[in-house]
Amino acid sequence: GIQVEQSPPDLILQEGANSTLRCNFSDSVNNLQWFHQNPWGQLINLFYIPSGTKQNGRLSATTVATERYSLLYISSSQTTDSGVYFCAVDRGSTLGRLYFGRGTQLTVWP
Amino acid sequence: DAGVTQSPTHLIKTRGQHVTLRCSPISGHKSVSWYQQVLGQGPQFIFQYYEKEERGRGNFPDRFSARQFPNYSSELNVNALLLGDSALYLCASSLMNSVLGGYTFGSGTRLTVV
Repeated sequence: GIQVEQSPPDLILQEGANSTLRCNFSDSVNNLQWFHQNPWGQLINLFYIPSGTKQNGRLSATTVATERYSLLYISSSQTTDSGVYFCAVDRGSTLGRLYFGRGTQLTVWP
Repeated sequence: DAGVTQSPTHLIKTRGQHVTLRCSPISGHKSVSWYQQVLGQGPQFIFQYYEKEERGRGNFPDRFSARQFPNYSSELNVNALLLGDSALYLCASSLMNSVLGGYTFGSGTRLTVV
């Protein structure tokens, strides 16, 4: 299967700080998504971004498919941003199967 | 529009019992996938169903089975439960097999096996 590596594994910030989360993947992909898992376990879709750059409020993401990495930027962090951020990819040959990284645990202090 | 709905939200079972988890996809979505997430790890793929047929299976034992109904809802069944089956079980739906626009996940069922 495809390997997905996320870094850093843990990140502790003070409110208002900016951060960058990274996702490396080992093969070409058909789909890449960033999710935020809330304390109740739900995976909230942040971005569907197999390539290019997207922005949504304080969050933005960039995927460079040719170099097999994606970045998630969080600006002006808020305590509500705390949780686990997952990167997940889908290979064209195994449609319907998302491969997840181990996630980045983000803690934002007031 | 309702999102992906899963039931029950929490469940406690005894070793050796069986369990059935349910998932209703977003209206219009024909693909449903199941994932298992144990504490501290990312979700692991169990099954994908599209148009009521199994299209993919992860590395899980035969105790795990699933099906998709004509209305595209799905059930995940686990027989002979083990302590190690304790996990959050997530269901995801998508528009079509080619995954245009990505997956949407439900809130999950938290299964505890004692």
